[in-house]
Amino acid sequence: GAGVSQTPSNKVTEKGKYVELRCDPISGHTALYWYRQSLGQGPEFLIYFQGTGAADDSGLPNDRFFAVRPEGSVSTLKIQRTERGDSAVYLCASSLGTGPQETQYFGPGTRLLVL
Amino acid sequence: AQTVTQSQPEMSVQEAETVTLSCTYDTSESDYYLFWYKQPPSRQMILVIRQEAYKQQNATENRFSVNFQKAAKSFSLKISDSQLGDAAMYFCAYRSYGSQGNLIFGKGTKLSVKP
Repeated sequence: GAGVSQTPSNKVTEKGKYVELRCDPISGHTALYWYRQSLGQGPEFLIYFQGTGAADDSGLPNDRFFAVRPEGSVSTLKIQRTERGDSAVYLCASSLGTGPQETQYFGPGTRLLVL
Repeated sequence: AQTVTQSQPEMSVQEAETVTLSCTYDTSESDYYLFWYKQPPSRQMILVIRQEAYKQQNATENRFSVNFQKAAKSFSLKISDSQLGDAAMYFCAYRSYGSQGNLIFGKGTKLSVKP
């Protein structure tokens, strides 16, 4: 089946604007993760969903960041009042279950540039 | 908190030769999983190999193998018979055994393969 997809592939916005980034996980995967990858760094965890609920949002940097997964499938990461420091690649991953042995399958990411 | 360190920002290998990428980690836990992910320019992270900390035997996947030294908290990746398609960023990652959530990544090593 299809892998994890993310839209848009690239997003350019102005400081202070609102953006939404979308993630379509692999069909049937119950767990969904968001990571942020800044230039020259490894991905950093933002938030994790099990089904519709956010099981762990400890990685969200501040209250400008919010994510939803209303039907337990597609997820949207929302960033309010964007800042230049939010520029990064936002990666989404999904896994079949929640156990530590489960493989996380990643999407190609959305590159966000805040001018 | 757990940390992952990759001390080699860049590595280079001749096609058909062998290269080893280094990774060390810090944890007080006894059970955990370790991973190597490959990230080509397309940005999509691909799982290369996984190691369970409770297993003494080093994991292997075709041309990829690891040298897992639990006491030293070291987890290196060996790529044999390097191919041009192996050129990518390689990330080492850690996941707690009791965790239902996130991976903790190192900063990555950029591998170049010379023809």
